[in-house]
Amino acid sequence: DTAVSQTPKYLVTQMGNDKSIKCEQNLGHDTMYWYKQDSKKFLKIMFSYNNKELIINETVPNRFSPKSPDKAHLNLHINSLELGDSAVYFCASSLATYEQYFGPGTRLTVT
Amino acid sequence: AQSVTQLGSHVSVSEGALVLLRCNYSSSVPPYLFWYVQYPNQGLQLLLKYTSAATLVKGINGFEAEFKKSETSFHLTKPSAHMSDAAEYFCAVSYGGNEKLTFGTGTRLTIIP
Repeated sequence: DTAVSQTPKYLVTQMGNDKSIKCEQNLGHDTMYWYKQDSKKFLKIMFSYNNKELIINETVPNRFSPKSPDKAHLNLHINSLELGDSAVYFCASSLATYEQYFGPGTRLTVT
Repeated sequence: AQSVTQLGSHVSVSEGALVLLRCNYSSSVPPYLFWYVQYPNQGLQLLLKYTSAATLVKGINGFEAEFKKSETSFHLTKPSAHMSDAAEYFCAVSYGGNEKLTFGTGTRLTIIP
């Protein structure tokens, strides 16, 4: 199926640990994004990459580092996890046609 | 800076009744506007988009929205609510292709049998 996929779907970890979330799209899009949805359902952009180049980097702690090995993949690595990092993280992609297609989300719980 | 305001964090309508979810935007340049739907424990699905073509936009699942520049609004409507419409709805704005989406705070739609 053509889609935006994320792994894992659920991630439970302890404070201080380092974790990664992977995102892949097979839609042929050239731009990929990471959004964070907090406990109140508020969605906010974190990063975006266009053709493997970082183009948006919102005010996100340095503990968050995106990596795009190619146009179809955008991974999110988080160091030294904190309680406040608990959220749902969504990956999305687009192809200059304005609409973005979202993955199913990764629910991160930090204990 | 661009932003959207969704009036009403919770909206309840009876099955078969009109659905109206409100969205007002603030943008210094012509905006591109979107409505997304999020079902429980799922990702966001695009319902419809306005990108400066027709002001009345038809989307999936019988939803439509009208861009009104004079009112800076992009309200979402559906003539007859169905139980399956129960979800969280987000209005979003961007400046254009491959630009970030700025989301409203969402409206939870409940359908009363």
